[in-house]
Amino acid sequence: TQLLEQSPQFLSIQEGENLTVYCNSSSVFSSLQWYRQEPGEGPVLLVTVVTGGEVKKLKRLTFQFGDARKDSSLHITAAQPGDTGLYLCAGAGSSNTGKLIFGQGTTLQVKP
Amino acid sequence: DTEVTQTPKHLVMGMTNKKSLKCEQHMGHRAMYWYKQKAKKPPELMFVYSYEKLSINESVPSRFSPECPNSSLLNLHLHALQPEDSALYLCASSQELAAFLNTGELFFGEGSRLTVL
Repeated sequence: TQLLEQSPQFLSIQEGENLTVYCNSSSVFSSLQWYRQEPGEGPVLLVTVVTGGEVKKLKRLTFQFGDARKDSSLHITAAQPGDTGLYLCAGAGSSNTGKLIFGQGTTLQVKP
Repeated sequence: DTEVTQTPKHLVMGMTNKKSLKCEQHMGHRAMYWYKQKAKKPPELMFVYSYEKLSINESVPSRFSPECPNSSLLNLHLHALQPEDSALYLCASSQELAAFLNTGELFFGEGSRLTVL
């Protein structure tokens, strides 16, 4: 069974601080996605990483895919209150079932 | 703004009521999904439609009945629900199921918040 372990589950920081969220698995994924979900809204796709070792940047967000394609990280520089939300890593299961495997999510609160 | 539209945004129903959730997308996507999400938890897959045919049913109780009238619409009919069914119900779409299997990219609606009394 493919699993994605996401950590930390909860994070409360002050505006301007940096943070990193981790997404780890013992299985290889062909790609991993990061979604952000604000309260009362649906998840919004932030990025897809496909190649082992790949690094993608989205303004203050940096996403990295591990060389072995088993893990990924999301680093936020100088967090803003607008970054508050639930961050989900996800990957397509290898059994071709159409099932997206989600990590447990990281609830981030950035205090002004 | 999301291109997947869900209605209603909020729904309160009794355990004997019959109601429906609706989802619409105009991106030409051929795969559509229903997810259930509890607070601060990841979404849980319920159903997948591919080319208007039910492709996956994740052993969902029969009190939830999906319907895909055409490639743009997806409904979820609700009957005799329980209080524990209260959750955010998310609709999502992807270009095709095959494409999704490679990229895992889904486009979610804003969800319908369901409360069962």
